[in-house]
Amino acid sequence: QVQLVESGGGVVQPGRSLRLSCAASGFTFTGYSMHWVRQAPGKGLEWVAVISNDGTNDDYANSVKGRFTISRDNSKNTLLLQMNRLRSEDTALYYCARSRLNPDHFDIWGQGTMVTVSP
Amino acid sequence: AIQLTQSPSSQSASVGDRVTITCRASQGISSALAWYQQKAGKAPKLLIYDASSLETGVPSRFSGSGSGTDFTLTISSLQPEDFATYYCQQFHNYPITFGQGTRLDVK
Repeated sequence: QVQLVESGGGVVQPGRSLRLSCAASGFTFTGYSMHWVRQAPGKGLEWVAVISNDGTNDDYANSVKGRFTISRDNSKNTLLLQMNRLRSEDTALYYCARSRLNPDHFDIWGQGTMVTVSP
Repeated sequence: AIQLTQSPSSQSASVGDRVTITCRASQGISSALAWYQQKAGKAPKLLIYDASSLETGVPSRFSGSGSGTDFTLTISSLQPEDFATYYCQQFHNYPITFGQGTRLDVK
């Protein structure tokens, strides 16, 4: 079945780095743009980043621009998010999601991976 | 960035009620709006896209309407499984933005 599974979350100190992964299965990965969306504890949804289906274009929320890098490995059906210079306000559940167009709605979401930035 | 304002922020309702949630955009977004349902501890689930198109598998008691700046999500007859938080999302341009959410709970 169509599935997105995130991994890589954990507890990290401010200023350190973390890399998240999202494994896609059950669909043609190269047919979709991919996104990261986060949700701080008890808060709403915040879009983080997008990468085009072929990996040639990306975009970021201002809150993470210059610190986070989105990438994808289409040979492994995997989406990545490299997070550098982490801050306490980056603490959130990070979801990956797909969209057919760019931009577009998100029809499939993963279950999320939790990132906690704490001293 | 386009701001989305949902109202109400929370609402108490009973099974069988007709419920309406509104979403107002800070500028025109044509029909580039989606609605999601999120239950506690779960990922958001797509309900409506392109303002009024029902996602496959979503019950027909859910409907969406609107274009430009004003949008509505309607649940025609609330069911027990519908108590959740609902978010609107605009995908007219980047950055993609979400409304602050509407929490629907039991009266």
